[in-house]
Amino acid sequence: GQQLNQSPQSMFIQEGEDVSMNCTSSSIFNTWLWYKQEPGEGPVLLIALYKAGELTSNGRLTAQFGITRKDSFLNISASIPSDVGIYFCAGRGGGATNKLIFGTGTLLAVQP
Amino acid sequence: DGGITQSPKYLFRKEGQNVTLSCEQNLNHDAMYWYRQDPGQGLRLIYYSQIVNDFQKGDIAEGYSVSREKKESFPLTVTSAQKNPTAFYLCASNSGRGGRYTEAFFGQGTRLTVV
Repeated sequence: GQQLNQSPQSMFIQEGEDVSMNCTSSSIFNTWLWYKQEPGEGPVLLIALYKAGELTSNGRLTAQFGITRKDSFLNISASIPSDVGIYFCAGRGGGATNKLIFGTGTLLAVQP
Repeated sequence: DGGITQSPKYLFRKEGQNVTLSCEQNLNHDAMYWYRQDPGQGLRLIYYSQIVNDFQKGDIAEGYSVSREKKESFPLTVTSAQKNPTAFYLCASNSGRGGRYTEAFFGQGTRLTVV
């Protein structure tokens, strides 16, 4: 099955640093989503994007829906230790179903 | 509080046995999904159901079966035909009407280990 290219695979940063991660696809998507997953838990939705060029913030998180509709990025500013987790992008291509295609995830570790 | 409940949290299975993972939601969502997660990989879709009494195969359906007899429930059976069943299984649900959807809510997952 199709998966999105998500990078980087992992990041090890100091508290207070800014973080950027992105996803690219060979297909056009109508929706881009960003989820965070903590160990042993299910993913939690952070940001949803529905329009090409859309830029949306949720606290220290900012995500953008690429103009080409084939990419999206997520930025985290001034990271804190509780930002630790795996961040997944997901895309929906439209049509009759609501299936999501997920990226492979970015593992974020924040050192106090 | 509305949400999705998966049970059990941890499950151990002997080789050759079938096991069933439970997923229940009280969000009144039409669509439900089962994903499999392996270390270092994204979520892969096993089965999904958009309406009661109907379901479709996802990308990795072989060795799995599902039923959708009630809107609230979407159990997943991992059969003995699944060659590598040890993984973290996630259930999700959302609602869609006329092309507009609420986004997927996930359960807390079931970790299945074959012993």
